Amino acid sequence: EAGVTQFPSHSVIEKGQTVTLRCDPISGHDNLYWYRRVMGKEIKFLLHFVKESKQDESGMPNNRFLAERTGGTYSTLKVQPAELEDSGVYFCASSQTGTDYYGYTFGSGTRLTVV
Amino acid sequence: AQSVSQHNHHVILSEAASLELGCNYSYGGTVNLFWYVQYPGQHLQLLLKYFSGDPLVKGIKGFEAEFIKSKFSFNLRKPSVQWSDTAEYFCAVNGGDKVIFGPGTSLSVIP
Repeated sequence: EAGVTQFPSHSVIEKGQTVTLRCDPISGHDNLYWYRRVMGKEIKFLLHFVKESKQDESGMPNNRFLAERTGGTYSTLKVQPAELEDSGVYFCASSQTGTDYYGYTFGSGTRLTVV
Repeated sequence: AQSVSQHNHHVILSEAASLELGCNYSYGGTVNLFWYVQYPGQHLQLLLKYFSGDPLVKGIKGFEAEFIKSKFSFNLRKPSVQWSDTAEYFCAVNGGDKVIFGPGTSLSVIP
């Protein structure tokens, strides 16, 4: 089966610009998560979708971040306008609901650099 | 609130040495525990997980972890490391809908 796909793999943008990250979960996985790792720090939860609904968005840092999952398939995470502190690696993960609910499959991440 | 701490930020070992990476968590209820690994240039992968039952869990590549409920610990072990085990290791806990990660331990194995 195909894994979780994220693109772009790298993005370098200037402060004030907009960037949109995309995540394609494993087909059939209702749960989709976004995490972020700022350089050298821990991996922090951003939000959780169940199908197209936001189950938990308590980790979203501020209103410059907007996540969507139209139709319950792929998800996008938009940062507008980007700030220097938004630099980091953004991970997406998906999981099934059921016996393997707590076994996330991660994508390879998008490395975002804001200059 | 849940939290996870890892004892070491960076560990350096010679090949064939034994490994133990410490992990402690803070959560008052029933938890599921994980170790993830990120090899250089690769994405996060699940190494092993504990949900219930035998507190000694065996994972891939010869790794194992022991859940000690009284100590809120879930330490990762491997009896003999290889150069290919060089990676970053993350302990994680789930007591609800999301997984919380520890800060990670970077392991460097010297040939």
